[in-house]
Amino acid sequence: TQLLEQSPQFLSIQEGENLTVYCNSSSVFSSLQWYRQEPGEGPVLLVTVVTGGEVKKLKRLTFQFGDARKDSSLHITAAQPGDTGLYLCAPNRPSGSARQLTFGSGTQLTVLP
Amino acid sequence: DVKVTQSSRYLVKRTGEKVFLECVQDMDHENMFWYRQDPGLGLRLIYFSYDVKMKEKGDIPEGYSVSREKKERFSLILESASTNQTSMYLCASSLWGTGANVLTFGAGSRLTVL
Repeated sequence: TQLLEQSPQFLSIQEGENLTVYCNSSSVFSSLQWYRQEPGEGPVLLVTVVTGGEVKKLKRLTFQFGDARKDSSLHITAAQPGDTGLYLCAPNRPSGSARQLTFGSGTQLTVLP
Repeated sequence: DVKVTQSSRYLVKRTGEKVFLECVQDMDHENMFWYRQDPGLGLRLIYFSYDVKMKEKGDIPEGYSVSREKKERFSLILESASTNQTSMYLCASSLWGTGANVLTFGAGSRLTVL
């Protein structure tokens, strides 16, 4: 059974601070997605990373896929209240099936003004 | 703008009632999914469908069934609701054959079973 861990589970910071959240597993993945879920809404895709060591930037968000494709991190620079939400990582199992995605339990981020 | 629409945002039902959760997508996606989301447990896959009238069990199918009579519509059925099925239910869809299987989610249906 593959384990997927996201840390921290909860994070509360002040506006303007930097933060990093992590997604770790014992398994190798073909790719990995990050979603953000705002209160009362469904998750929305932020980014997909595919290559080991890949770094992608989305404005103040920087996503990195580990060299061994077992882990990923999301760094937010100068966090804003609009960044508040549940951040979910979703690695793709290399199964070739439509049900490829697994989801972590998420990091609940609160950015205080 | 592409959309997945879940018809009921909030439902309150009694134990033993039959519950239908409806989901419609307008993107002509082949794959559709039902997840439940509980605090600390993340999203767990209940059922998914990769074509009309086709369905496959996910990780937690017990107590649920699904129906996909048309490509755009995927229904989740609780034959006899129980209190442990109180949860947030999320429907999603994706294109067949996309390597990274990107999901588009609905806004969710929060079900309370009393």
